[in-house]
Amino acid sequence: DQQVKQNSPSLSVQEGRISILNCDYTNSMFDYFLWYKKYPAEGPTFLISISSIKDKNEDGRFTVFLNKSAKHLSLHIVPSQPGDSAVYFCAATSGSRLTFGEGTQLTVNP
Amino acid sequence: DTGVSQDPRHKITKRGQNVTFRCDPISEHNRLYWYRQTLGQGPEFLTYFQNEAQLEKSRLLSDRFSAERPKGSFSTLEIQRTEQGDSAMYLCASSSTSLTGTYEQYFGPGTRLTVT
Repeated sequence: DQQVKQNSPSLSVQEGRISILNCDYTNSMFDYFLWYKKYPAEGPTFLISISSIKDKNEDGRFTVFLNKSAKHLSLHIVPSQPGDSAVYFCAATSGSRLTFGEGTQLTVNP
Repeated sequence: DTGVSQDPRHKITKRGQNVTFRCDPISEHNRLYWYRQTLGQGPEFLTYFQNEAQLEKSRLLSDRFSAERPKGSFSTLEIQRTEQGDSAMYLCASSSTSLTGTYEQYFGPGTRLTVT
């Protein structure tokens, strides 16, 4: 059973515009959510996280929104830059193991 | 802070051989995790340690897989009698339980295993 899903395998945006990556989860026990960025042949790099007691967390160009009732989270990147092109994974946890989505390939075009 | 390191970065082995990977976590982190990632998928949890105790193992971790963290610092993951289906990227991550309410894990660069 896929407890964390990223339904868009790819997303293409223009430099300077907003990128919105989406993620849905099914397990109500998850209480902490994370976004990671991954380049080919490297390990995932932590970007930003949010606790289930919040609905928004912001760090520079990155903002994560959490809608607990819909079991949905999203990552907003604004403005998008070509260096943001990578695979983005959302992950969820209830305190130990991370459960990942399948990833979304973001391409930011100059 | 030198980050999480993994060795080797790449391993090619013949089916039936045993392989061992090493992970060195961030020095002050007490938790260490192993994940496996195949093409087009997100990382999948295998097992984790808190200090030297192995606290959880996934059902993905067959009897051919064993992990150790003998002194609560570095960890090894051994795969015995490798099969072609074991070909994947093996990722190690570490985290600290000292900051309550935060669960960030920091990943190493991974070991790419190819079984021929």
